[in-house]
Amino acid sequence: DVKVTQSSRYLVKRTGEKVFLECVQDMDHENMFWYRQDPGLGLRLIYFSYDVKMKEKGDIPEGYSVSREKKERFSLILESASTNQTSMYLCASNSGATYEAFFGQGTRLTVV
Amino acid sequence: TQLLEQSPQFLSIQEGENLTVYCNSSSVFSSLQWYRQEPGEGPVLLVTVVTGGEVKKLKRLTFQFGDARKDSSLHITAAQPGDTGLYLCAPGADKLIFGTGTRLQVFP
Repeated sequence: DVKVTQSSRYLVKRTGEKVFLECVQDMDHENMFWYRQDPGLGLRLIYFSYDVKMKEKGDIPEGYSVSREKKERFSLILESASTNQTSMYLCASNSGATYEAFFGQGTRLTVV
Repeated sequence: TQLLEQSPQFLSIQEGENLTVYCNSSSVFSSLQWYRQEPGEGPVLLVTVVTGGEVKKLKRLTFQFGDARKDSSLHITAAQPGDTGLYLCAPGADKLIFGTGTRLQVFP
């Protein structure tokens, strides 16, 4: 069974903390994604990685950075968390063969 | 960034009704995907349409890709509460950008 696993389902952090969200996929996919989902706003792409150490900004990269040191792992970093980064974060991966995306269960991050 | 507009944004209907949701763009796509996201879960792929004018059926769901490959529609016949969720379209591409989504609520 194919799987995308996010390290935490729920996370509460304080304003100003550095936050790491981890995502691991077991499908050998080239592409990995981080999205943010807020009520009424659908899925907005934060960052996209198409290979190890390669990344591309999405629509809302401000306040975020990413790391992809290994093909199966894609990390989202909030350098200094702020309350407006309270949201649901979804990780996904796909391959260039079918483009079918597989998603993790999501991390609901609350910044207080 | 290509923009995929979905309409309506929200839809609330009774069980047994039919409905159609739309996905529109000014760009031409080689293929288009439809996903459904249920509460508390990540989106799951329903179908990919590839050919202009193509119609695909998945039980009570009918997907159509426009002739010009710029738009698509999803028609649900006799909606059921289990159809409740967020419906998202996205062009088949390495960089996956989703449409704005249609949130469907089907009441028993």
